[in-house]
Order: sequence, then C-alpha cells, then structure tokens
Amino acid sequence: GQQVMQIPQYQHVQEGEDFTTYCNSSTTLSNIQWYKQRPGGHPVFLIQLVKSGEVKKQKRLTFQFGEAKKNSSLHITATQTTDVGTYFCAGQGSYIPTFGRGTSLIVHP
Amino acid sequence: NAGVTQTPKFQVLKTGQSMTLQCAQDMNHNSMYWYRQDPGMGLRLIYYSASEGTTDKGEVPNGYNVSRLNKREFSLRLESAAPSQTSVYFCASRAGDSYNEQFFGPGTRLTVL
Repeated sequence: GQQVMQIPQYQHVQEGEDFTTYCNSSTTLSNIQWYKQRPGGHPVFLIQLVKSGEVKKQKRLTFQFGEAKKNSSLHITATQTTDVGTYFCAGQGSYIPTFGRGTSLIVHP
Repeated sequence: NAGVTQTPKFQVLKTGQSMTLQCAQDMNHNSMYWYRQDPGMGLRLIYYSASEGTTDKGEVPNGYNVSRLNKREFSLRLESAAPSQTSVYFCASRAGDSYNEQFFGPGTRLTVL
C-alpha cells in the first residue's frame, strides 16, 4: 500500500531560524495536503498542492511539490513561537489519504 | 455552524468494556473518517465512509466497528476495549473526493485500563 515518510520527527529551533520538513511517498500522488496541529488541538488544513513542481506561499511558509509528484516540503522562514506544533503531510494517491507521521516543531524564544 | 463535533471529549474504560464514540458534521459532507493518533505514529485511518450507506476499512480496523447513521453522523464502536486502544481518536469529514480538505473534530482522549 501507499506509504508516506516524513522527516524529521522533531526539530528544535531558536526563534528566527528557518525550519523545513520533508515528505516522501512510495507511489505517485494525485495531490498532497499539509495540516498543522497545535499542542492539544486537532489538525487544521493549511494548503493543497496538485501540479508537478508546484510552489505555493503563505506569508513565511513555502510549500513545494516535486516534479515526480512523489515528494513535498514545507519551509518556514524566520520561525516564531506561534509556529509551534506538529506539521503533517497527507498524500492522496487513491481515495484514502495517507498521513505522514508528522514533524513536531519546537521554537525556543 | 459547529463544523465537526465529537463526544465524549474524555473517557476512561476498563479492559473488556464497550463504548461508542459519536461524531457529527453540519457541513453536508459526503465523506467521513475515523483516525487514531498515537505518539510518534501520526494519524492512522481506522474506517471511512465515502458516502451515506457505505463504510470501508482503513489501515487499522481490528477491534472497531462503525456505523454511518445518516449523512451527518458517523459513530465508532469498541466492542471489547483493550489497553492497546488507548489513544486520541479524531473524526474528520470532507465534501467529496481527495481534492477537498478534511475538517477534523476536537478529538476524544480514550484511556483503557
């Protein structure tokens, strides 16, 4: 079945440093979605990428979808304490979404 | 517009007890999902319902049953709870196919002793 690997599992940064999390799928994806979960909260949708090589930006967040549609990344520039949480990718290869295990971002002020 | 609601928020069971987790959405979504979240394991799909009247197994269905009661409601039942089912359970819904975002409920924290 489809597998989505996400690294790293944890990332500690000083406030102001950059952060990147990566997702890799074992199969070609039709699209990939990114979610953020704050500590004690529930996942909240951030963005969806559909096209090969697509790049989307949301303020300090940059999302990329690989040319082969098998990998994706989320980059945060100049992290803030409000960025704390776990970031998940969800690959959509078939009807069933497959979530990566998530990357927990810890920001030290 | 409450979105996705789940009850209860917290539950403690003894091994062998049964219970039903309730989920409802008011967004007229066709698809609904049940996930469990364990530390370091991400979100694992238990069951899903692509539309009213249909249910299918996900990645980790053993020990669970589901009912899509109507378009709004999708319940998850543990017939004989085991300590391995201690987890946080999330219900989610989305409008249709894989190109739509999922909306998650607040979760149920379940402990099985």
